[in-house]
Amino acid sequence: QSVLTQPPSVSGAPGQRVTISCTGSSSNIGAGYDVHWYQQLPGTAPKLLIYGNNNRPSGVPDRFSGSKSGTSASLAITGLQAEDEADYYCQSYDSSLSGVLFGGGTKLTVL
Amino acid sequence: QLQLQESGPGLVKPSETLSLTCTVSGGSISSSSYDWGWIRQPPGKGLEWIGRIYYSGSTYYKPSLKSRVTIFVDTSKNQFSLKLTSVTAADTAVYYCARLQGGYDGWFDPWGQGTQVTVSS
Repeated sequence: QSVLTQPPSVSGAPGQRVTISCTGSSSNIGAGYDVHWYQQLPGTAPKLLIYGNNNRPSGVPDRFSGSKSGTSASLAITGLQAEDEADYYCQSYDSSLSGVLFGGGTKLTVL
Repeated sequence: QLQLQESGPGLVKPSETLSLTCTVSGGSISSSSYDWGWIRQPPGKGLEWIGRIYYSGSTYYKPSLKSRVTIFVDTSKNQFSLKLTSVTAADTAVYYCARLQGGYDGWFDPWGQGTQVTVSS
C-alpha cells in the first residue's frame, strides 16, 4: 500500500528529546528508497530538514537527525526549543505509485 | 541563491482549468541535475505530490490526477507551469513549486512561498 504513516501529534518539554516515526512498506522505504524530512512552520512553505535519510542541509542545527531501518524512518529532535513547534513531514518514493509520497504530517507541540 | 515564485489566479470556477506558473531565478531550469515539481496542500491537511518535469520535458504525474494534469516547461523564460482541468472544491489548496534533486527518490529544495487557489463559483 502506498502510504507513509506518521503520528498525528507529538509533544515534549523544552530541552527534551522527541522522535517522529514514518512507517512505510516494501514499495517505498522498505524497497531502499531514501527518506527526507521537512519542517513547516505555521503559514510558511515547507523547509528541507533532512535529506537522504540522515543528511542535514547547511544551516540545519545538529539537534535534528534522521535514521532509517527496514520499512520505517525516524526524525529525532534533541534539546527541544520553542521554535521547533511546527508540522513535520516525511517523504519518499513509491514504486507502486511511480512517484513521490508524503507522510500525513506530525504536529510537534513544545509544552 | 535559487528562488522559486508561483503565480496565477487565486480563484477558479468549478469545472474550469487551474493554471499556475513557477518562475525560477538565480539558476537555470535547464540544469541536467534537477527535476521540477508541483505539490499542493489543502486547507488544514498534509502535502500532496502532483507531478514533476525534467527540463527536457519528461513528465511524471500522481496516478489519481494524471487524467487532469499537465506540467510543461518554458526554458526560454526559465519557468515551468501546471494546468489542472475540471477542477472541483477538492482542488482548493495552497500550491507549491519546488526543485527536486537527487533523482526520482530525491528531495524538494528549495520551495516557492506557495499560492492559494480557491475553487468556487
